[in-house]
Amino acid sequence: GESVGLHLPTLSVQEGDNSIINCAYSNSASDYFIWYKQESGKGPQFIIDIRSNMDKRQGQRVTVLLNKTVKHLSLQIAATQPGDSAVYFCAETNYGQNFVFGPGTRLSVLP
Amino acid sequence: GAVVSQHPSRVICKSGTSVKIECRSLDFQATTMFWYRQFPKQSLMLMATSNEGSKATYEQGVEKDKFLINHASLTLSTLTVTSAHPEDSSFYICSARDRRLHLVRETQYFGPGTRLLVL
Repeated sequence: GESVGLHLPTLSVQEGDNSIINCAYSNSASDYFIWYKQESGKGPQFIIDIRSNMDKRQGQRVTVLLNKTVKHLSLQIAATQPGDSAVYFCAETNYGQNFVFGPGTRLSVLP
Repeated sequence: GAVVSQHPSRVICKSGTSVKIECRSLDFQATTMFWYRQFPKQSLMLMATSNEGSKATYEQGVEKDKFLINHASLTLSTLTVTSAHPEDSSFYICSARDRRLHLVRETQYFGPGTRLLVL
């Protein structure tokens, strides 16, 4: 079946550097994408979203890029901080249906 | 805004007993609530979707008689794990979609999760 996957299961970055977390999706009908952050023992926390009619969206220190041609989604975190250490999930949905999560990427911020 | 709570946060029970987990949207009304389970170091797996006042829709492979879902109001959904067994031990997470935004944004807001351990 269709699924969302991640290229990198783990990512270690130096504090202060920028982080890039990638996600590949296979359902070309997906029209809405979301990035979530999950800290240990907690529920996912909404970070940023993007619709399929956009290719870039910026938030505070975070940017999501969408490349529909290659079905690729990325989350960029600027000036990564220790508090950014967590597992990041991308999710896709098609008009609110079939909400599918990717396998997750663990981000570790090194001092 | 968009706060979702779960209760209890942790529960330990004996095999064969039933456990009820509550999910509440605290500052908004939820048209739809979702229940997920998550095993260690794995992603979230959708178990079922519940709409207020109607029967839940279960994902393939999820036993509806074992995982009873009740969505009695726009702010409360409950998941009851009946006759729990050790293999049911997991992290159960609910999410809710804001009724006011359901035509604009499909974002799900997640609860903090409930860790279930069945002995």
